[in-house]
Amino acid sequence: DGGITQSPKYLFRKEGQNVTLSCEQNLNHDAMYWYRQDPGQGLRLIYYSQIVNDFQKGDIAEGYSVSREKKESFPLTVTSAQKNPTAFYLCASSVLALNEQFFGPGTRLTVL
Amino acid sequence: KNEVEQSPQNLTAQEGEFITINCSYSVGISALHWLQQHPGGGIVSLFMLSSGKKKHGRLIATINIQEKHSSLHITASHPRDSAVYICAVEATSGSRLTFGEGTQLTVNP
Repeated sequence: DGGITQSPKYLFRKEGQNVTLSCEQNLNHDAMYWYRQDPGQGLRLIYYSQIVNDFQKGDIAEGYSVSREKKESFPLTVTSAQKNPTAFYLCASSVLALNEQFFGPGTRLTVL
Repeated sequence: KNEVEQSPQNLTAQEGEFITINCSYSVGISALHWLQQHPGGGIVSLFMLSSGKKKHGRLIATINIQEKHSSLHITASHPRDSAVYICAVEATSGSRLTFGEGTQLTVNP
């Protein structure tokens, strides 16, 4: 089955620890995105990548880092510099930038 | 003021009712998306449109570019339609989506 997967679904970490969220797609999509969702707010773009080995900052990139070494994979690292990391994180992909986006199931990160 | 405003924020309906969710935006756009988010968090793309109207089953999306407004209609609503409906726009000047805050729809049997 073609799709986009994120793991794990729930993640708990202690304050001050870096944590990496996984995002994999087998749709052969060029573009991939990371969004953050907080209660009562719209999705906000953290980072996006339109091609392997290249990525751009979104609106709220501070405290996050990404890599795009393979077309299928776009992991997001939440660093200790992110002041408020507890949130729901969604990964998405599309054939080209701004085409219809396909979303993963999300990872809910709680920092204790 | 947000670039994308949705109304209402919350909507409760009885099964079978006709539902309308509205989206207004303040920038020039190349396309508008309607998305559905279920309680578990997963998001599904419903429509992507740049003019006119699209229909898929009981769902209809319309857009008026001059008025910077879009509506999502659900005919013969059903409890399984209960979800958050999100509007997002692609600005002509940018390369990313801007999202509304979503409309929480609850359809009671």
